[in-house]
Amino acid sequence: GDSVTQMEGPVTLSEEAFLTINCTYTATGYPSLFWYVQYPGEGLQLLLKATKADDKGSNKGFEATYRKETTSFHLEKGSVQVSDSAVYFCALSPNTGNQFYFGTGTSLTVIP
Amino acid sequence: NAGVTQTPKFRILKIGQSMTLQCTQDMNHNYMYWYRQDPGMGLKLIYYSVGAGITDKGEVPNGYNVSRSTTEDFPLRLELAAPSQTSVYFCASRSGPFQPQHFGDGTRLSIL
Repeated sequence: GDSVTQMEGPVTLSEEAFLTINCTYTATGYPSLFWYVQYPGEGLQLLLKATKADDKGSNKGFEATYRKETTSFHLEKGSVQVSDSAVYFCALSPNTGNQFYFGTGTSLTVIP
Repeated sequence: NAGVTQTPKFRILKIGQSMTLQCTQDMNHNYMYWYRQDPGMGLKLIYYSVGAGITDKGEVPNGYNVSRSTTEDFPLRLELAAPSQTSVYFCASRSGPFQPQHFGDGTRLSIL
């Protein structure tokens, strides 16, 4: 069935370091892919999305490219800030059915 | 634009009590979802709905009930509260397939 696998955390980085959080998926056809961010004590917020192969989603300095050949949607940011400390979820919406699949989340802590 | 509104934000219940978690959205979305998130964990789908009068079970439906009499509202009912239902509950909605979900701020529920 459809699923999302993302890199386990926690991840701790120094401010201005480069961030990569890996996400791979299993699905038939061409699902839509998303990254969500959850700050402490809050709900999930959509960070970025991509709806077809080779699309690049971007927002707030974060980027992710939909790679059909490797079934991946890795999240990257060139220079993280303390304010980026949060939990990041990769998610998938299949092209059939009504459900929505989330990864288990990756906790990121950025230290000054 | 309020988006997805959940009430209450916090609640403490005694074992065996009942309560309804309210969720309403003002985006005219057909698809609505209920998740629970245990501390330090990912999201588990409880129930979802693809339109008024239509509901379906998710991964962890036992101990919960839902109804969807209007497009806007999707309440979640706990009939006999148990300590295992202590969690943060999130409601989400989206306009249709391939679209991102929009989340409420959550209801933090403790059962003692």
